[in-house]
Amino acid sequence: DGGITQSPKYLFRKEGQNVTLSCEQNLNHDAMYWYRQDPGQGLRLIYYSQIVNDFQKGDIAEGYSVSREKKESFPLTVTSAQKNPTAFYLCASSTGQGVSYEQYFGPGTRLTVT
Amino acid sequence: GEDVEQSLFLSVREGDSSVINCTYTDSSSTYLYWYKQEPGAGLQLLTYIFSNMDMKQDQRLTVLLNKKDKHLSLRIADTQTGDSAIYFCAESDWYGGSQGNLIFGKGTKLSVKP
Repeated sequence: DGGITQSPKYLFRKEGQNVTLSCEQNLNHDAMYWYRQDPGQGLRLIYYSQIVNDFQKGDIAEGYSVSREKKESFPLTVTSAQKNPTAFYLCASSTGQGVSYEQYFGPGTRLTVT
Repeated sequence: GEDVEQSLFLSVREGDSSVINCTYTDSSSTYLYWYKQEPGAGLQLLTYIFSNMDMKQDQRLTVLLNKKDKHLSLRIADTQTGDSAIYFCAESDWYGGSQGNLIFGKGTKLSVKP
């Protein structure tokens, strides 16, 4: 089955620790995205990558880092510099081209930092 | 900047029609989307409409677009309890021949009462 996987579903960390969230897709999509979702805030774009070895900051990139060494993988690191990291994190991918812009979403990772 | 607005809550009775409304500010938007998010899950694309269309129907879903007023609506006929979810409106536009990123509204939480 093709799709996007995110692991783990729930993640707990102590304040001051970096944590990396995994995102893998087997849809052969070029573009991948990370969003943060807070209650009543909708989705906010953290980082996106349109091609391997290239990525751009989204609207709220401060305190986060990413890498795109492989087409299938786009891990997100939440660093200790992120002031309010507790949130639901969603990864998505798309073909990045064509007449529609359907983004396929993973199931999300809920990160709790105490 | 670009903005997408939605009301946060909607409550309907099972069997009634639901209408979820959205307004957007970017007049260059080319595609407008409706995504559905069930509790604790990622987003699923329900439907999209191209900006040169006024209406699109897909089974129980009807999308209406008023470009002049920059208003988009999603009508769900014969609403079922399984339709209870958060519904996100999103827009994208074109930059230099390729699609821009999606801008999401904050989501409308639809509650369906039996």
